[in-house]
Amino acid sequence: GAGVSQSPSNKVTEKGKDVELRCDPISGHTALYWYRQSLGQGLEFLIYFQGNSAPDKSGLPSDRFSAERTGGSVSTLTIQRTQQEDSAVYLCASSFAGGGEKLFFGSGTQLSVL
Amino acid sequence: EDQVTQSPEALRLQEGESSSLNCSYTVSGLRGLFWYRQDPGKGPEFLFTLYSAGEEKEKERLKATLTKKESFLHITAPKPEDSATYLCAVLSSSNTGKLIFGQGTTLQVKP
Repeated sequence: GAGVSQSPSNKVTEKGKDVELRCDPISGHTALYWYRQSLGQGLEFLIYFQGNSAPDKSGLPSDRFSAERTGGSVSTLTIQRTQQEDSAVYLCASSFAGGGEKLFFGSGTQLSVL
Repeated sequence: EDQVTQSPEALRLQEGESSSLNCSYTVSGLRGLFWYRQDPGKGPEFLFTLYSAGEEKEKERLKATLTKKESFLHITAPKPEDSATYLCAVLSSSNTGKLIFGQGTTLQVKP
């Protein structure tokens, strides 16, 4: 596609349920990033994939959060046993060369945990 | 610890009224400073990268400048379509791949 695609655009779930968020990066981009944006807050780094290297998971807030990237393309962010404080917009981005340079963001998934 | 602070949090301007947004940073070895624009309901859109003190970049009514401690985003004769949240982010030599973002400045330009 022309840009980074995220699905679903909105997700409402009950506390304690698991959710999966999907990101389809720009074709040819080797790096993929997940960020979280809470209401009125800046973007919070979650995880970074670069090529075949081990991902940088240093931003994941707890072991309830995990992410994988299959075939160097599509990525899934999974949140287990969701809590109300997980409510936020989850943004995915990709870049051609990695290293944090010039990210292209998707429109995000708005997650609401009731 | 790498930190980015943006000010003001919100800014209201009349159309044509020029102003500047500030981004102060502390980082262990700056590899790059980035400005993004974010419209409501959308992801951030890349504007500029600055790499060293004294560097300037321009795009239409926007000009970004960089010193060793801060960056400014100057908006000249803004139009209502410039209304958005402007985000500053830094990349340090100790955190490759991990952009550290400020909380943003929300700009509203009234006609």
